[in-house]
Amino acid sequence: GNSVTQMEGPVTLSEEAFLTINCTYTATGYPSLFWYVQYPGEGLQLLLKATKADDKGSNKGFEATYRKETTSFHLEKGSVQVSDSAVYFCALNALIQGAQKLVFGQGTRLTINP
Amino acid sequence: NAGVTQTPKFRVLKTGQSMTLLCAQDMNHEYMYWYRQDPGMGLRLIHYSVGEGTTAKGEVPDGYNVSRLKKQNFLLGLESAAPSQTSVYFCASSYSNLMYEQYFGPGTRLTVT
Repeated sequence: GNSVTQMEGPVTLSEEAFLTINCTYTATGYPSLFWYVQYPGEGLQLLLKATKADDKGSNKGFEATYRKETTSFHLEKGSVQVSDSAVYFCALNALIQGAQKLVFGQGTRLTINP
Repeated sequence: NAGVTQTPKFRVLKTGQSMTLLCAQDMNHEYMYWYRQDPGMGLRLIHYSVGEGTTAKGEVPDGYNVSRLKKQNFLLGLESAAPSQTSVYFCASSYSNLMYEQYFGPGTRLTVT
């Protein structure tokens, strides 16, 4: 089946620290992989994506590389800011029963302290 | 473009009451989705639609019904609300099977007492 596992949170860091949020997946076929971010009180927004193995998605200083050999898509940022505090969701896009569907991880809450 | 909008933003229901959540999108997307978000469980797909007049069950459809009478609207109904349906509900839309990004609405927080 298709599933996504994220590192459990919450994660608390100081401003300018290095961030890694781990994400591994199980999938049939070759899914696209995504990171979505949810800021307080808002819906989810696409942060970055990768559609094939070894692709690197990047946006707003965040990066993630699609690693087929380790079935992983870890999110990284070199220097986090207070404004990065949010919940981050890893997801894969699978064709299930003839329709495109997103399968989400459970989310990781990130808090950045000044 | 307003994107994806949801009404209402908040609602409190008593057990057994009914209500309808409305989702509207102005991006001419074919696909629309309803998810629920519960603590520690990520988002789970309730129902979805691949075009006007079509609907299909997702991962957790029991207790919910949907309709897609117009391309831009996707309605989620609760006929007889239960406390287990206390959740945050998100609507999303996407262009087609070939376009992978889903655009999300701001959510509806529903409490069933």
